[in-house]
Amino acid sequence: EDKVVQSPLSLVVHEGDTVTLNCSYEVTNFRSLLWYKQEKKAPTFLFMLTSSGIEKKSGRLSSILDKKELFSILNITATQTGDSAVYLCAVRNYGQNFVFGPGTRLSVLP
Amino acid sequence: DGGITQSPKYLFRKEGQNVTLSCEQNLNHDAMYWYRQDPGQGLRLIYYSQIVNDFQKGDIAEGYSVSREKKESFPLTVTSAQKNPTAFYLCASSIDSTTGSSYEQYFGPGTRLTVT
Repeated sequence: EDKVVQSPLSLVVHEGDTVTLNCSYEVTNFRSLLWYKQEKKAPTFLFMLTSSGIEKKSGRLSSILDKKELFSILNITATQTGDSAVYLCAVRNYGQNFVFGPGTRLSVLP
Repeated sequence: DGGITQSPKYLFRKEGQNVTLSCEQNLNHDAMYWYRQDPGQGLRLIYYSQIVNDFQKGDIAEGYSVSREKKESFPLTVTSAQKNPTAFYLCASSIDSTTGSSYEQYFGPGTRLTVT
């Protein structure tokens, strides 16, 4: 059965801290790994990763995939209160399904 | 404006009643999905459809039904057979590509269903 595991499930930091969120997976016919940010309602897309070792970067956020060890990390540097959200990791297989992890709830305190 | 709309945002029903949640997209996406999200949990797939007039069960399809008569629309019916229907329901769509590039999903704003 396809599975996505995220850790930690919950994290509290102060503004300015750097955080690393983890996502590991067991998926047959892996196609891509995606990160989403969910604040109140709809998840919004952050990154899609298909190749190992190539870092994707957007402002203070970055992510990388290791297809050999079957995991990805999402880094957020110089965190701000606006980064408080649930971060979802999802893996897509060639069966067109997206399998989601439970999410990491990040709280950034002022 | 291109996007996905879901209606209503909040829905209240009595136990034993069927209820239909609307999902419409004007992104010209082939694939559409329904997810359920419970507090503190990730998204669980209810049904998905890759093409008009065809759909497949996801991990938790029992007690739900869907239809895909038009490319733009993928309504979800929560039937009285669903034992615990109170949840947040999210609809999503993506470009469906069986080969080549992979594409992300775009999500609607969600419908929060409360059944008492």
